[in-house]
Amino acid sequence: GQQVMQIPQYQHVQEGEDFTTYCNSSTTLSNIQWYKQRPGGHPVFLIQLVKSGEVKKQKRLTFQFGEAKKNSSLHITATQTTDVGTYFCAGPIGNYGQNFVFGPGTRLSVLP
Amino acid sequence: GAGVSQSPSNKVTEKGKDVELRCDPISGHTALYWYRQSLGQGLEFLIYFQGNSAPDKSGLPSDRFSAERTGGSVSTLTIQRTQQEDSAVYLCASRYKRGDNTGELFFGEGSRLTVL
Repeated sequence: GQQVMQIPQYQHVQEGEDFTTYCNSSTTLSNIQWYKQRPGGHPVFLIQLVKSGEVKKQKRLTFQFGEAKKNSSLHITATQTTDVGTYFCAGPIGNYGQNFVFGPGTRLSVLP
Repeated sequence: GAGVSQSPSNKVTEKGKDVELRCDPISGHTALYWYRQSLGQGLEFLIYFQGNSAPDKSGLPSDRFSAERTGGSVSTLTIQRTQQEDSAVYLCASRYKRGDNTGELFFGEGSRLTVL
C-alpha cells in the first residue's frame, strides 16, 4: 500500500538553530499537508501544497513540494521553544483522494 | 459547535469491558475520520466516513472495533472486549472535502483510553 515516510524521527536542536524534516511518499501525491502536534495536544493543520515545485512560507517556516510530487520538506529558521512538537506530513490516498495517510512524524525538541 | 468535539476526554476501563467513544464533527463537514495514536507514536488510520458512501473500514485492527455515523453527523467508535493493547488516544477529525481533493482535517482533542 501507499506509504509516507519521514526523516528524521527525532531532532534535538539548540534554540536559534535551523531544523528540517523530510517527507517521502511511495507514490505521487495530488497534494500534501503538514500538521503540528504540541506535546499533549492534537494535530493542527499548518499548510497544504498542491503544485509541483511549490514553495510556501509562514514566517520562519518554509514548505516545499518536490517536482515529482513525491516528496516534501519543512524548514524552520532560527528555532524557538514554541516550535517544540511533532510535525506530520499527510497525503491523500484512495481513488478520489478522500483518505489521508500520515507519515510517522518528526519530533522536535528545542533546548533553550 | 466551533470545532470537533469528542467525549469522553478520558476513559479508564477494565479488560474485557466494552467502550464507546463519541465524535461530533464540525457542522457541514461531510468527511469524518478516526485515528488511533499510541504514546509517542504516529497516527494510525482506523475508519473513514464520507457522506452517504460506505465507510472505509480498512484500518480497523480487529472485529472488536466498529464505528457508525448517524445522520451524516455524530460518529461513535465502539471497542468490544477491550484489551490492554487498545490503550491509546483515539482522535477524530472532520473535513470539508473540496472537489479537487483539497481541504484540511480538523482534529478533536481526542479520547484517552486506558485499559487496566
